[in-house]
Amino acid sequence: ETGVTQTPRHLVMGMTNKKSLKCEQHLGHNAMYWYKQSAKKPLELMFVYSLEERVENNSVPSRFSPECPNSSHLFLHLHTLQPEDSALYLCASGDGTVGNTIYFGEGSWLTVV
Amino acid sequence: AQSVTQLDSQVPVFEEAPVELRCNYSSSVSVYLFWYVQYPNQGLQLLLKYLSGSTLVESINGFEAEFNKSQTSFHLRKPSVHISDTAEYFCAVSLNTGGFKTIFGAGTRLFVKA
Repeated sequence: ETGVTQTPRHLVMGMTNKKSLKCEQHLGHNAMYWYKQSAKKPLELMFVYSLEERVENNSVPSRFSPECPNSSHLFLHLHTLQPEDSALYLCASGDGTVGNTIYFGEGSWLTVV
Repeated sequence: AQSVTQLDSQVPVFEEAPVELRCNYSSSVSVYLFWYVQYPNQGLQLLLKYLSGSTLVESINGFEAEFNKSQTSFHLRKPSVHISDTAEYFCAVSLNTGGFKTIFGAGTRLFVKA
């Protein structure tokens, strides 16, 4: 069983759809992250949760809505996205200590049509 | 604010040749430094990191990186690459005062040719 599991691995959605990305970590970590990976651009930190409380929100449009019901699960709810939102969305977890290693899932490829 | 610059988007190299992937960072406070690797169709995984102590850090598969504070660099090197090293490599920084932000560069795609 991998440490950080993301579903679905691939998602195609229309601009008027509502969908969700799911992430689950089995590492006992108390911090979880959403990153956006686009070609030739730095990974963009979107949201960070620590102990189910949002601690970072990097000016992400409201069409992306995170949810962290417990320390093992993280969701990214998607609504009325734009084609430029097409990217690889990476979930990650860490123990929240200074200098900690972040453990990533394999990502969810999102295509907005 | 912190930022990370990876100077090369792609580095093609022949098998068994040496390679250097460059990384420079900008920060007004002290940082920790990381290299992550992403193999095709996988998430990122830690390759090596510098927290304190010796400025030269090594990975288990022969990569090494040297922290140079005066040049604000953390270049990644390997003396002899293998085909299996083909991947994307990301340099990253986090504040040594804590917090949850780890800032990544844009990545360098290493392509090892036979």
